[in-house]
Amino acid sequence: EDQVTQSPEALRLQEGESSSLNCSYTVSGLRGLFWYRQDPGKGPEFLFTLYSAGEEKEKERLKATLTKKESFLHITAPKPEDSATYLCAVPTLTFGKGTMLLVSP
Amino acid sequence: NAGVTQTPKFQVLKTGQSMTLQCAQDMNHEYMSWYRQDPGMGLRLIHYSVGAGITDQGEVPNGYNVSRSTTEDFPLRLLSAAPSQTSVYFCASTRRQGGTQYFGPGTRLTVL
Repeated sequence: EDQVTQSPEALRLQEGESSSLNCSYTVSGLRGLFWYRQDPGKGPEFLFTLYSAGEEKEKERLKATLTKKESFLHITAPKPEDSATYLCAVPTLTFGKGTMLLVSP
Repeated sequence: NAGVTQTPKFQVLKTGQSMTLQCAQDMNHEYMSWYRQDPGMGLRLIHYSVGAGITDQGEVPNGYNVSRSTTEDFPLRLLSAAPSQTSVYFCASTRRQGGTQYFGPGTRLTVL
């Protein structure tokens, strides 16, 4: 059974304070790892897909990386508008519980 | 394209009542799925479909029925609502198995 674990559950940052979110996974044969952003009261929105260890993808202040056991979502110089819950998932429709990020001005 | 649409946005039911949550997509995606999201539990898969006429159970299927008569629509039925089914429900679709999912805006259901 695939398992996806995210940490921390919640993270509070000051504007400009960089940090990383973690997603560790146990799957039989990874065929991709997904990151989604979810704003309060809305459905998750796709951010990135990573397929192989060593792969990196960037979008504005976000960079996602992948190893054989985990993925990181690095947030560089965050802004208040980056506040959201970030979810990771594997292709078997298994999601982590998410990290709630709050960026204070 | 409207993407994935869900109706209603909010619903309050009494225990034992039945209802159908509607989900439609206009992207011609073969794969559709239903999730529930509860505080501290994350997104959990209820049922999914790999094409018209084909459905299967996910992690938490009890108390829910689905059918898929067309590519566009994937309704979720609660036959006899229970307070434990109070949750936010999301429908999603994807072009291929294991691909990027596109989510609807959700339905917030309260069962009294």
